[in-house]
Amino acid sequence: AQSVTQPDIHITVSEGASLELRCNYSYGATPYLFWYVQSPGQGLQLLLKYFSGDTLVQGIKGFEAEFKRSQSSFNLRKPSVHWSDAAEYFCAVLRDTGGGNKLTFGTGTQLKVEL
Amino acid sequence: DTAVSQTPKYLVTQMGNDKSIKCEQNLGHDTMYWYKQDSKKFLKIMFSYNNKELIINETVPNRFSPKSPDKAHLNLHINSLELGDSAVYFCASSSGPKLFFGSGTQLSVL
Repeated sequence: AQSVTQPDIHITVSEGASLELRCNYSYGATPYLFWYVQSPGQGLQLLLKYFSGDTLVQGIKGFEAEFKRSQSSFNLRKPSVHWSDAAEYFCAVLRDTGGGNKLTFGTGTQLKVEL
Repeated sequence: DTAVSQTPKYLVTQMGNDKSIKCEQNLGHDTMYWYKQDSKKFLKIMFSYNNKELIINETVPNRFSPKSPDKAHLNLHINSLELGDSAVYFCASSSGPKLFFGSGTQLSVL
């Protein structure tokens, strides 16, 4: 069964500093990978996705992620964090069940930004 | 012009009551989902419907009954609510591998 691990429950960074959120997946085939962001009291917004091709994908709000098959990782990065980036970040892997898509989420990483 | 909309946003109710959460999408997608986010923020799929047909049913108590009157709507009815049902419930839709989520319904069972 596929699974997603986000080893960091909480991360605190200073505004303007760089950010990397870790994500490791376990999946037999080529995965469809996603990063979602959830601001307090809000729904889930898709930041970026990887399906195939270039292993470095660009997303919204200046985020990027790199797919590394050898490490089973899909880490999220941002060169300079803004205070508004404080939120919960979820990595997810998608499996096509043949009749529907099943998105399995990691446990999330809460990002705090110090001003 | 909200793509996936859920109502209500907040729902506070007593144990034992029956309640429903409604979801509508205007994206023309064929597939809709219900996800549950628990108090530790863990998100897990509950159900998925494709063209009004149930295609994914995770191990959810049968007190939870999804209903899809048409492919733009997926409602979630919960009977005999329990304290452990308190969570945020998210509706989502897709026409391929990309899911679009609603803003969630926070259910509090007292």
